[in-house]
Amino acid sequence: EPEVTQTPSHQVTQMGQEVILRCVPISNHLYFYWYRQILGQKVEFLVSFYNNEISEKSEIFDDQFSVERPDGSNFTLKIRSTKLEDSAMYFCASSQRTRNTEAFFGQGTRLTVV
Amino acid sequence: TQLLEQSPQFLSIQEGENLTVYCNSSSVFSSLQWYRQEPGEGPVLLVTVVTGGEVKKLKRLTFQFGDARKDSSLHITAAQPGDTGLYLCAGERGANNLFFGTGTRLTVIP
Repeated sequence: EPEVTQTPSHQVTQMGQEVILRCVPISNHLYFYWYRQILGQKVEFLVSFYNNEISEKSEIFDDQFSVERPDGSNFTLKIRSTKLEDSAMYFCASSQRTRNTEAFFGQGTRLTVV
Repeated sequence: TQLLEQSPQFLSIQEGENLTVYCNSSSVFSSLQWYRQEPGEGPVLLVTVVTGGEVKKLKRLTFQFGDARKDSSLHITAAQPGDTGLYLCAGERGANNLFFGTGTRLTVIP
């Protein structure tokens, strides 16, 4: 069964460092998303991406964040200068369409900023 | 501010009991999804409801979308230990993003 895969599963980084979280969406999906979940809190939308550009982003997705689809399979989230409060599980998701979105989530990357 | 409140927040029941989880909002959603999340993993989609009043069944799970598309419920019949997990509702308003609820953590005791 097709699935969304994310790497690494866990990343520890020092405050101020740049991190890149990687995702391989399901191959025939066209819409890609990043969500985050701070420990013990709810899942929060960060950004959606379609046709090589951002479709929508939340207030969390500030200038420190960027997304890219560098090739036909990968979808990345970059945090330029990490802060302690960026520590969270980051989930990538993909879907075939944008309405009645049935998003399929990856296993997540646990980012710990120290 | 969009808000999807789920109740109860925590629920612990004995195997074989029935339960209902609620997802309420003051906002209208074009569709609503229910997910289940295990510790350390991503949410797994259970069902999508689209039409007001719609009822969908998935084995022992029954999902209903409110007539006004502002709320939803998940009913589990004869709960089993394998149903233990975090249940999340997520509403779609515009295109391209899901707004997640606060979650209900269910524990089914054998």
